[in-house]
Amino acid sequence: EPEVTQTPSHQVTQMGQEVILRCVPISNHLYFYWYRQILGQKVEFLVSFYNNEISEKSEIFDDQFSVERPDGSNFTLKIRSTKLEDSAMYFCASSATNSNQPQHFGDGTRLSIL
Amino acid sequence: GQQVMQIPQYQHVQEGEDFTTYCNSSTTLSNIQWYKQRPGGHPVFLIQLVKSGEVKKQKRLTFQFGEAKKNSSLHITATQTTDVGTYFCAEDGSSNTGKLIFGQGTTLQVKP
Repeated sequence: EPEVTQTPSHQVTQMGQEVILRCVPISNHLYFYWYRQILGQKVEFLVSFYNNEISEKSEIFDDQFSVERPDGSNFTLKIRSTKLEDSAMYFCASSATNSNQPQHFGDGTRLSIL
Repeated sequence: GQQVMQIPQYQHVQEGEDFTTYCNSSTTLSNIQWYKQRPGGHPVFLIQLVKSGEVKKQKRLTFQFGEAKKNSSLHITATQTTDVGTYFCAEDGSSNTGKLIFGQGTTLQVKP
């Protein structure tokens, strides 16, 4: 069964540095998402992306964050000037259409900011 | 902002006992999805409910959507150790973008 893949599985970075989290969505899916889960807490929506542009973003997704689909397969989340509170599990997800469809999640990238 | 309240936060049961988690919203939901996250894993889609009063079953799991479409529940009959994990309800927060608003989740522990 096709799946969403994310790399790296764990990223350790010094505070203030930039990180890029990578995702390969399911190939025939058109909608892509990033979510964040702080340890022991609920899954929080960050951003949705369709047709090479952001379709919706949350309050968390401020100027520190950006997303890009640099080619036909990858979908990246860039976090600039990382802060301690950015430490979390970041999940990429994709769906075939925008709503009323299951979202398929990757295994996540655990981001640790030191 | 939009919120989906989920209770209880934790539930410990003996294997073979039943388990139920509840989701409530102050606003009418267009649909609700349920996900399961195993410890250390990622959310995995279980089911989606769309119609008022809808009931769907998957083996020992029964999902309900309230008549007013403001609440939903997941009931597991005769729990097994493989049911361990956190169960999240999620509201489709926007009709156009697919944004999901997750509840706080209910973490189920099953004692063998």
